[in-house]
Amino acid sequence: QKEVEQNSGPLSVPEGAIASLNCTYSDRVSQSFFWYRQYSGKSPELIMSIYSNGDKEDGRFTAQLNKASQYVSLLIRDSQPSDSATYLCAVNGAGNNRKLIWGLGTSLAVNP
Amino acid sequence: GAGVSQSPSNKVTEKGKDVELRCDPISGHTALYWYRQSLGQGLEFLIYFQGNSAPDKSGLPSDRFSAERTGGSVSTLTIQRTQQEDSAVYLCASSRTGFNQPQHFGDGTRLSIL
Repeated sequence: QKEVEQNSGPLSVPEGAIASLNCTYSDRVSQSFFWYRQYSGKSPELIMSIYSNGDKEDGRFTAQLNKASQYVSLLIRDSQPSDSATYLCAVNGAGNNRKLIWGLGTSLAVNP
Repeated sequence: GAGVSQSPSNKVTEKGKDVELRCDPISGHTALYWYRQSLGQGLEFLIYFQGNSAPDKSGLPSDRFSAERTGGSVSTLTIQRTQQEDSAVYLCASSRTGFNQPQHFGDGTRLSIL
């Protein structure tokens, strides 16, 4: 069973701090990695996608991918209370079965 | 439209009734996905369409659930003889061709079975 694992949290950080969200995956052939944000009562919203090892930055968000360690992370700099949400990691692999596998999400609380 | 559109946004029905949920994907998106999310839970994959074909129906929880897609666009998820455990938010997402494309979600249909 291919899996994506995230710490459920809650992860609590003060406003202005860096929030670090982590995700590990079991399928070595996974090639595409996505971070989504889901506010309570809302649908998931794409934040970042990453496909190559290394860092990818978009504004206050940085995604980090390490395929050798089967690890993908999301850093949120200068965290704001509006960043408080559940962050979902999604991974797919190559081959015939490339269905997105979703983590259960990490709840982030940014405290003013 | 600009985004994935789902209707109705809320549906309340009595146990045993049939319901139809509709999804209109982003224009040009050939792949369409249905998920279910119960309160406080993760996303549960139901079915995936590529064009009008459904190569992966593995997530449909029982034969009371079915889905179709016509014209490579609008999809309908039908639940027959609804049960209370069917109460959840049903989410539709679409993407360009290929599993390596990010999925974009609609606002969901909140289904409540009395």
